[in-house]
Amino acid sequence: QSVLTQPPSVSGAPGQRVTISCTGSNYNIGAGYDVHWYQQLPGTAPKLLIYGNSNRPSGVPDRFSGSKSGTSASLAITGLQAEDEADYYCQSYDSSLSGWIFGGGTKLTVL
Amino acid sequence: QVQLQESGPGLVRPSGTLSLTCTVSGGSISSTNWWSWVRQPPGKGLEWIGEIYRRGTTNYNPSLKSRVTISIDTSKNQFSLKLSSVTAADTAVYYCARLYGSGDYNKKRFDSWGQGALVTVSS
Repeated sequence: QSVLTQPPSVSGAPGQRVTISCTGSNYNIGAGYDVHWYQQLPGTAPKLLIYGNSNRPSGVPDRFSGSKSGTSASLAITGLQAEDEADYYCQSYDSSLSGWIFGGGTKLTVL
Repeated sequence: QVQLQESGPGLVRPSGTLSLTCTVSGGSISSTNWWSWVRQPPGKGLEWIGEIYRRGTTNYNPSLKSRVTISIDTSKNQFSLKLSSVTAADTAVYYCARLYGSGDYNKKRFDSWGQGALVTVSS
């Protein structure tokens, strides 16, 4: 069981907006540690999507946005496209483990 | 743009030692970054294994610490993973990744990943 909790799956129609939550504790997200998000297309390595809670690396469309509040963070995807169908993971630092932690992952299905 | 590439045996016998090497190109492994290993069992999520800094300082996942050794060879621009006493539960795709970012250590992120190496533990 992951230290960061994500919904196993979300879905949406093309053009719609979806959000993916990532819930932690006062040892990680609630302690002020940054949350990062990764997109993993089928059969490929994870790709950094959002870093530092809400920043996009160069080349990532502004349809993707991140936010953080308290012990939780969220990834929002607007204008959903078929190519967004992938697994999404949140990641942070945990002081009780003294190491990096990932959420269990969320599978996004574009209907 | 730094690139990473994993290499090593794809099959390891139970109770044996898993060994993988990550070769870094397009940048120096001696730069101010941490170099990590992350694994993903088939159909499951990501698990951080451990990391190493250019001078050899290491951090390991407490759940794997007793079995893991990560080392670095700056002359070859490579870092390596050894996982001992493996079982079927260690079957996974193993990724090497760069932990990047300025400022506080706990704000860093995995910005570059290798393509992954599937390692199967089976007799």
